[in-house]
Amino acid sequence: EVHLLESGGGLVQPGGSLRLSCAASGLTFTNYALTWVRQAPGKGLEWVASISGGGDYTYHADSVKGRFTISRDISKSTLYLQMTSLEAGDTAVYYCAKRSGRNNGPHDYWGQGTLVTVSS
Amino acid sequence: DIQMTQSPSSLSASVGDRVTITCRASQGISSWLAWYQQKPEKAPKSLIYDASSLQGGVPSRFSGNGSGTDFTLTISRLQPEDFASYYCQQYNSFPLTFGGGTRVQIK
Repeated sequence: EVHLLESGGGLVQPGGSLRLSCAASGLTFTNYALTWVRQAPGKGLEWVASISGGGDYTYHADSVKGRFTISRDISKSTLYLQMTSLEAGDTAVYYCAKRSGRNNGPHDYWGQGTLVTVSS
Repeated sequence: DIQMTQSPSSLSASVGDRVTITCRASQGISSWLAWYQQKPEKAPKSLIYDASSLQGGVPSRFSGNGSGTDFTLTISRLQPEDFASYYCQQYNSFPLTFGGGTRVQIK
C-alpha cells in the first residue's frame, strides 16, 4: 500500500527557511510524479510545486517561484520542499501527493500533511 | 492560467438526497479533471479522475461527468459520511488549479 509521510513543519519567523520532507513507501519511487499542495487555515487547496518521476522536470507556482524549490532523493524515496524567505501568507498545512503517472495524472494518494506557521 | 469555478460554495442537504456540484474551467481541459473529498482536519481523498472514472474503493453513489469546460460531481443518495468539502482540480496544464470548494452540510 502506498504511504506518504510528511515532516519538517513548525513555527518559523518571517524571512526564515524550512525544509519539508515526504517519505514515500509502497511504490516504485521513480515511476511517479509528486506534488506539494498547501491549505491555509480555513481556505481551499492551492498547488505549490510538482516534480517528474525522474526529477528532470520541476514546476512551481508563481506565488512561491524563486523562494521554494521542490526536489527528490531517489536513494531515500523522499520528496523535499526547500522554503526560503517565508512570509505570513505561507502559513498552511502542506500536503505531498502522488500523481498517477511518471510525468502527469491526477493525485491518487495524499499524505496527512505538516503544518507550517510563519509568525514572529 | 486555467481558472476553475466551482458552484455552489456550500449546500445543505439531507441523508438520501441527490446532490450535484458543478465545476467550470476557463478554457477547455478535455477530460483532465479530478474530484477530491476532504473531511475536517483530514487530507484530501481522491474520488474521481479523468472526469468520470471512479477511484478504487469509492462507493458507486459517486459519479462524475463532463468534458471540455463543464463538469459535474453527483452523489446519488447522500450518506452521513458524505458530509464534507469537495474540490475539483484540472491537470491539463501547469499551473495545476483547484476549484474553490463546495461544503456539503447536513440540513
